[in-house]
Amino acid sequence: DAGVIQSPRHEVTEMGQEVTLRCKPISGHDYLFWYRQTMMRGLELLIYFNNNVPIDDSGMPEDRFSAKMPNASFSTLKIQPSEPRDSAVYFCASSLAGDSGGARNEQFFGPGTRLTVL
Amino acid sequence: AQKVTQAQTEISVVEKEDVTLDCVYETRDTTYYLFWYKQPPSGELVFLIRRNSFDEQNEISGRYSWNFQKSTSSFNFTITASQVVDSAVYFCALQRGSQGNLIFGKGTKLSVKP
Repeated sequence: DAGVIQSPRHEVTEMGQEVTLRCKPISGHDYLFWYRQTMMRGLELLIYFNNNVPIDDSGMPEDRFSAKMPNASFSTLKIQPSEPRDSAVYFCASSLAGDSGGARNEQFFGPGTRLTVL
Repeated sequence: AQKVTQAQTEISVVEKEDVTLDCVYETRDTTYYLFWYKQPPSGELVFLIRRNSFDEQNEISGRYSWNFQKSTSSFNFTITASQVVDSAVYFCALQRGSQGNLIFGKGTKLSVKP
């Protein structure tokens, strides 16, 4: 399998512009996660989906952020309008549901999208 | 509240030294999972190990070993005979239950010098 695929790998935009980050999870995985990594806050969850349904979006900073998962093989994270403080590396991860013992529930991460908002 | 503390921000060792990375977690859940991930300079996050709260057996994988102690809420990671390629940031993470998001520590940056 190709692993989790994210695009673009790098994005530079100006404040106020709309940014869309894309993710293709590993085929067959039931869960998809969006994380953000900054120097100040480290790695933090933004939102996650189970079978394409958002389960927890409590980490989404504000209304400027939105995420969708229209099907099992694609998800987007949109920022509109973008601000300099949104500059970070955004990771997408996916995992299986695992069995009742939690086996196989490790999350596999994509390479990340480095976003710079000027 | 769920929390993961990696008190060591940076560690520097010379090649072939043994090094232990500390991880202390907080949770009131009885069922939880602990993970270690490696983030090399290239930036990707690489899964290393998963442990559930009911399995305190230590694990060894080559030069890597993990010590899980519920009594002290710790899940420490030891690299034996470190190599330059081990240089990376290592993250410890906690997961409630068997699903859901990971709660990460701040990471420990390990530098292994030749």
